[in-house]
Amino acid sequence: DAGVIQSPRHEVTEMGQEVTLRCKPISGHDYLFWYRQTMMRGLELLIYFNNNVPIDDSGMPEDRFSAKMPNASFSTLKIQPSEPRDSAVYFCATSRDSNQPQHFGDGTRLSIL
Amino acid sequence: RKEVEQDPGPFNVPEGATVAFNCTYSNSASQSFFWYRQDCRKEPKLLMSVYSSGNEDGRFTAQLNRASQYISLLIRDSKLSDSATYLCVVRPNDYKLSFGAGTTVTVRA
Repeated sequence: DAGVIQSPRHEVTEMGQEVTLRCKPISGHDYLFWYRQTMMRGLELLIYFNNNVPIDDSGMPEDRFSAKMPNASFSTLKIQPSEPRDSAVYFCATSRDSNQPQHFGDGTRLSIL
Repeated sequence: RKEVEQDPGPFNVPEGATVAFNCTYSNSASQSFFWYRQDCRKEPKLLMSVYSSGNEDGRFTAQLNRASQYISLLIRDSKLSDSATYLCVVRPNDYKLSFGAGTTVTVRA
């Protein structure tokens, strides 16, 4: 089985630009999670979906961040406008159900200049 | 207080040694527990789930102590390839996971 697929692997852009991160979950996994990891704050949950519906977005830092899951095989995390403090590694993870462990994608390493 | 706390280490051990470390969690209603492994600049990967009775997977042994609210991981006969950051992960009471900051283990030849 293919794992969680994220794109791009690396993104470098100037502040103020819109950034879109993409995730393709493992087929059959009903839960999808977006995380951000930094040295200072570790791994933080931003938002998660169940059956394409956003359940908890309390971790989204501010209105500049938005996430969508238009269908069971695709999700996006968008930052507009981006700021240097958004620089981090963003992971997408999915699980089959609420009791199963989560499987992570390779992550997107984002640098905002 | 953080939901999951870990000793950051680093634990520097020679090949073949045994290394063990704990993490503590704050929510006594937590239901699921895991150890993940993260290599430098890579994604976290599930190492093992932790069951109430304790469980073993090859050289790795995990224990759960609900009364004291801690989880342990023991690595026997450590290999160079065991060098990584080990993340303690707890599911408090819903579908979200709480991650510890990680314990770094370095195995030297």
